[in-house]
Amino acid sequence: NAGVTQTPKFQVLKTGQSMTLQCAQDMNHEYMSWYRQDPGMGLRLIHYSVGAGITDQGEVPNGYNVSRSTTEDFPLRLLSAAPSQTSVYFCASSERLGTGGRYEQYFGPGTRLTVT
Amino acid sequence: KNQVEQSPQSLIILEGKNCTLQCNYTVSPFSNLRWYKQDTGRGPVSLTIMTFSENTKSNGRYTATLDADTKQSSLHITASQLSDSASYICVVDITGGGNKLTFGTGTQLKVEL
Repeated sequence: NAGVTQTPKFQVLKTGQSMTLQCAQDMNHEYMSWYRQDPGMGLRLIHYSVGAGITDQGEVPNGYNVSRSTTEDFPLRLLSAAPSQTSVYFCASSERLGTGGRYEQYFGPGTRLTVT
Repeated sequence: KNQVEQSPQSLIILEGKNCTLQCNYTVSPFSNLRWYKQDTGRGPVSLTIMTFSENTKSNGRYTATLDADTKQSSLHITASQLSDSASYICVVDITGGGNKLTFGTGTQLKVEL
């Protein structure tokens, strides 16, 4: 298994440009999510999906769109990049561990995005 | 104010020594509390997961404890190795559904010779 893969690893955008961060997993997990990680702050949830065709907003969804057409893929789109979106972006997929509210979360290697 | 506070912010120890990282949280009730290890330039990796009713959970040289009364958790690392150098992140999952996770800012651990 490749686990969770993300592309690109690095990206520089100009303000106003759009782009898509790719995320894929080969573990057949239903639950996938996108986070951003900024210096001095904990990871924050942007969007998540509980299965193909279902997405929902997290804590910081503004400026980002997602879709989930397949179980494997969960791309994150920046509609009009802003300097405030300079961050490291992590995609994760999760599998439930039996009952009791426990699940295992697997993160991708991250995409480092700079918006100038 | 962050609902998950970790201390210390950073720590340097010698290889072979033990250390304990602290996590204080105000989130309550919650479904589970987890500790992650994040190497530089990589995504977080799960170390331990404890439900609110569990007091301790081990994973090799890593042992996590949870005191729901004082709202504190700790991660104890035994016989540290150079490869333990990383950021250790405490996370509280409110609902167990994965969409209400509160992440701490992490403790940066460096293990030196």
